[in-house]
Amino acid sequence: ETGVTQTPRHLVMGMTNKKSLKCEQHLGHNAMYWYKQSAKKPLELMFVYSLEERVENNSVPSRFSPECPNSSHLFLHLHTLQPEDSALYLCASSPTSGGEETQYFGPGTRLLVL
Amino acid sequence: GDSVTQMEGPVTLSEEAFLTINCTYTATGYPSLFWYVQYPGEGLQLLLKATKADDKGSNKGFEATYRKETTSFHLEKGSVQVSDSAVYFCALINTGKLIFGQGTTLQVKP
Repeated sequence: ETGVTQTPRHLVMGMTNKKSLKCEQHLGHNAMYWYKQSAKKPLELMFVYSLEERVENNSVPSRFSPECPNSSHLFLHLHTLQPEDSALYLCASSPTSGGEETQYFGPGTRLLVL
Repeated sequence: GDSVTQMEGPVTLSEEAFLTINCTYTATGYPSLFWYVQYPGEGLQLLLKATKADDKGSNKGFEATYRKETTSFHLEKGSVQVSDSAVYFCALINTGKLIFGQGTTLQVKP
């Protein structure tokens, strides 16, 4: 039990669909993150939010659109994805961003794009 | 830039064997170091961490010591169990950026 939950746990979508991934943290943290984990590649940081402001966007294609309505919730809106976007998407949170505090991860959403 | 290098897997051991997974890092300044574990079908769980040189992190029988002189943070366990089968990630955090190694798969056979 890490205090970070993600829904759905599994998602299959076509390339023309629009879907959203949801992350919620119950740890009172102010920073939240999206990571992508593809087979045989290191984890890739996608986005960082601090106090609901986006502080980092690591050259992620515009078909991925994050949203952070408050410090407890983080969404990743998906549209017109490609098969190579199939991966495990992990959400994480930490007390603040920019420091050396531990990041706590959710269980991930396994996405398959057909 | 900063980086983390782990030994390549998979590592296959018999139950009760001694485990070492090597991890070395390159970083400016004084990063904190972590080991995360990912069980099949799950996300990453923090296993242990160390925040300064000579610190030893420990949890669930696993240990790792922050060695600044060798820039290493090797993971050890004296007696592995089948339930330890998972992917283990070494990571560092520096100026807010968390950087992972490639991950090492451990398979423990009964």
